[in-house]
Amino acid sequence: AQSVAQPEDQVNVAEGNPLTVKCTYSVSGNPYLFWYVQYPNRGLQFLLKYITGDNLVKGSYGFEAEFNKSQTSFHLKKPSALVSDSALYFCAVREKGGGADGLTFGKGTHLIIQP
Amino acid sequence: EAGVTQFPSHSVIEKGQTVTLRCDPISGHDNLYWYRRVMGKEIKFLLHFVKESKQDESGMPNNRFLAERTGGTYSTLKVQPAELEDSGVYFCASSNLRAGNTGELFFGEGSRLTVL
Repeated sequence: AQSVAQPEDQVNVAEGNPLTVKCTYSVSGNPYLFWYVQYPNRGLQFLLKYITGDNLVKGSYGFEAEFNKSQTSFHLKKPSALVSDSALYFCAVREKGGGADGLTFGKGTHLIIQP
Repeated sequence: EAGVTQFPSHSVIEKGQTVTLRCDPISGHDNLYWYRRVMGKEIKFLLHFVKESKQDESGMPNNRFLAERTGGTYSTLKVQPAELEDSGVYFCASSNLRAGNTGELFFGEGSRLTVL
């Protein structure tokens, strides 16, 4: 069975500082990995994904994530945080070639950027 | 281009009543998904349509939940009779067939259901 762990309910970062939102996953085979963001009163928006190739993937709004197979992690990062990055972030996984169609999400991490 | 739209945005009903949630996917998207998030927990997969066919309904909690997608356009999710534990936010998402294979989904804003 697939699973995703986001160990932090909330991450607080000062504006301008680098940020990291952690995600680890578990799948039987190889994963597709995703980050989505939810701003208040909005739906989830796709940020980035890892399918294959380079372990460092770049996405929207200056975010990037690094796939680490040995640590089964896919942490979300940004070099310099903005107040507007404050939102709820979800990590998700889907097994390549797996029978399940749906993404498996983590429980989300609130990112709070302080001015 | 219009995004995924969901109606209603918020519904408050009493235990035992019926509620029907509607999702209009992005035009031309054959894949349609329903997900649910209970307060503070994971977003859980409910089911997946490809056009009008149910591809995977392994996440549906029980037979009080009925999803339909007649004609392969919009979808409805009916909860009858509603129980307290059904409260949460129900998200709909859609994708075209190619994007669906790699999981990039376009989500609606969600329908918040409160069962009293």
